[in-house]
Amino acid sequence: NAGVTQTPKFRILKIGQSMTLQCTQDMNHNYMYWYRQDPGMGLKLIYYSVGAGITDKGEVPNGYNVSRSTTEDFPLRLELAAPSQTSVYFCASLKGDFYEQYFGPGTRLTVT
Amino acid sequence: AQSVTQPDIHITVSEGASLELRCNYSYGATPYLFWYVQSPGQGLQLLLKYFSGDTLVQGIKGFEAEFKRSQSSFNLRKPSVHWSDAAEYFCAVGAREYGNKLVFGAGTILRVKS
Repeated sequence: NAGVTQTPKFRILKIGQSMTLQCTQDMNHNYMYWYRQDPGMGLKLIYYSVGAGITDKGEVPNGYNVSRSTTEDFPLRLELAAPSQTSVYFCASLKGDFYEQYFGPGTRLTVT
Repeated sequence: AQSVTQPDIHITVSEGASLELRCNYSYGATPYLFWYVQSPGQGLQLLLKYFSGDTLVQGIKGFEAEFKRSQSSFNLRKPSVHWSDAAEYFCAVGAREYGNKLVFGAGTILRVKS
């Protein structure tokens, strides 16, 4: 049982490039979340999903897209990367109400 | 709007001293409350959680927290701090009515003096 896994661990992008951050969970959790963490700001929710085929925006969705075709996977797509997207990205999953979220190890992204 | 405030950005305590990290929230529904800890370059580890019932909850590593509804607070405490407790601590709030999305505080960085 690997929990929540994220790839890659680190990535450097040039402005305008695109990439997909991968997130997979093997706990059969319905809920999945993407957060970004900036220094001194805590974590901010980008997108979330309450089940396969269902996604919704969080607090800071601009510049990102997601899909949820399976229960296990919740990839985050960055189109036209900008320096403001330099951050650490965390994926999390949740079994349901009255449970806690489990976080992946994070992806550190730098856009230059 | 939902918000979580951690008033202390940095706290320094001596090893063996007691610790209290403050967390206040503003939320439109009955909240679930969490404390997470993050070591440098690492992910988030859950310390403890509150959903309902007894307002004093025990967590891992000797931490506890008390939910005070009247004060909208969920402060984290530890009676005797160890050097290995140095890390960043995040308070977070969620609710079933809001899709269990978490709103995080900005974090408190704990430094432990030997």
